[in-house]
Amino acid sequence: EPEVTQTPSHQVTQMGQEVILRCVPISNHLYFYWYRQILGQKVEFLVSFYNNEISEKSEIFDDQFSVERPDGSNFTLKIRSTKLEDSAMYFCASKQESSYNSPLHFGNGTRLTVT
Amino acid sequence: GNSVTQMEGPVTLSEEAFLTINCTYTATGYPSLFWYVQYPGEGLQLLLKATKADDKGSNKGFEATYRKETTSFHLEKGSVQVSDSAVYFCALRVSTGANNLFFGTGTRLTVIP
Repeated sequence: EPEVTQTPSHQVTQMGQEVILRCVPISNHLYFYWYRQILGQKVEFLVSFYNNEISEKSEIFDDQFSVERPDGSNFTLKIRSTKLEDSAMYFCASKQESSYNSPLHFGNGTRLTVT
Repeated sequence: GNSVTQMEGPVTLSEEAFLTINCTYTATGYPSLFWYVQYPGEGLQLLLKATKADDKGSNKGFEATYRKETTSFHLEKGSVQVSDSAVYFCALRVSTGANNLFFGTGTRLTVIP
């Protein structure tokens, strides 16, 4: 069964550094998402992406964050200058259809640790 | 607003015990309700869903019924197995406005032989 893949599985970075989290969505999917989960807290929506542009973003997704689909297969989340509070598990997800009942397929997540 | 509250864990059960993980929600509009599961080292996987009141979602022996009157979507399984050990997330999506999922905090289940 096709899967969403995320790399790396764990990323450690120093405060102030830029990080890029990578995702390869399922190949025929058109809608892409990033979520994050700070340890012990809820899984939170960050951003959705369709047709090469952001369709929706949460208040968490400030100017330090950006997303890109550089080559038609990868979907990346960039944090420009990481802060300690960015430490979290980041999940990428994709789905095929726009219907709100269409299921999201999630990757295994990237654990980001900012020191 | 839209939010999900689920039973705090961790939950530890013996094999073949009965499982209930409570989930209640508040939502604007008419939500669809989901349970996702995260096995160790893996991503979030859709376990089951229900799209309207009184619908029952089921999969792998797990069930949950969409109860509009109590705004609940409790997850149940009659006889858990060691392989059910995972983190379970309740989530909702509303039909208007934001096209994203609202998750609970997750409940870690450990089943011991």
